[in-house]
Amino acid sequence: EAQVTQNPRYLITVTGKKLTVTCSQNMNHEYMSWYRQDPGLGLRQIYYSMNVEVTDKGDVPEGYKVSRKEKRNFPLILESPSPNQTSLYFCASSSKGYSNQPQHFGDGTRLSIL
Amino acid sequence: TQLLEQSPQFLSIQEGENLTVYCNSSSVFSSLQWYRQEPGEGPVLLVTVVTGGEVKKLKRLTFQFGDARKDSSLHITAAQPGDTGLYLCAGAYNTDKLIFGTGTRLQVFP
Repeated sequence: EAQVTQNPRYLITVTGKKLTVTCSQNMNHEYMSWYRQDPGLGLRQIYYSMNVEVTDKGDVPEGYKVSRKEKRNFPLILESPSPNQTSLYFCASSSKGYSNQPQHFGDGTRLSIL
Repeated sequence: TQLLEQSPQFLSIQEGENLTVYCNSSSVFSSLQWYRQEPGEGPVLLVTVVTGGEVKKLKRLTFQFGDARKDSSLHITAAQPGDTGLYLCAGAYNTDKLIFGTGTRLQVFP
């Protein structure tokens, strides 16, 4: 089954404790991206990757890091999480560009930073 | 910063009613996508519109792209409880950028 898998689905942690949210897709997609979803703000892009070893900042990259060492994986790293990073996070992939390609989303990771 | 505004933000209606959700921007988009998101899940693509003035139908859902490709609407005829969810529009304005609207949360009561 074609899917985007995120782990963990839920995480409660404390300020400053490094964490990684993993994302893996099995569709051989070139493009992957991370979004955060906050009430009233819709989905905002954090980082995206057009291909292996190519990453770029989205609209809200501060406090986050990503890597794209393999085509299927695109982990999101919070080196020193802060309470304002409490949010619902989604990983997405698409085959080529965004113009007319559907985004395939994972089921989300709800992060609570205390 | 590109902005995509959706209205209304919330919509609560009875089964059988019709409704329209709007997605507006000052920017021109190359294409526009509509997604529906249910609790505990990620958004799922409903449709992509590409040409100005284009109309697409998906059962009881009708999607329209504005002539100037700056706005779009989603009309649902005879809404059903299964239509309940968060509806998101997303505009593409270059090959590697997609911007999402603020979302419309629809609740359809039996």
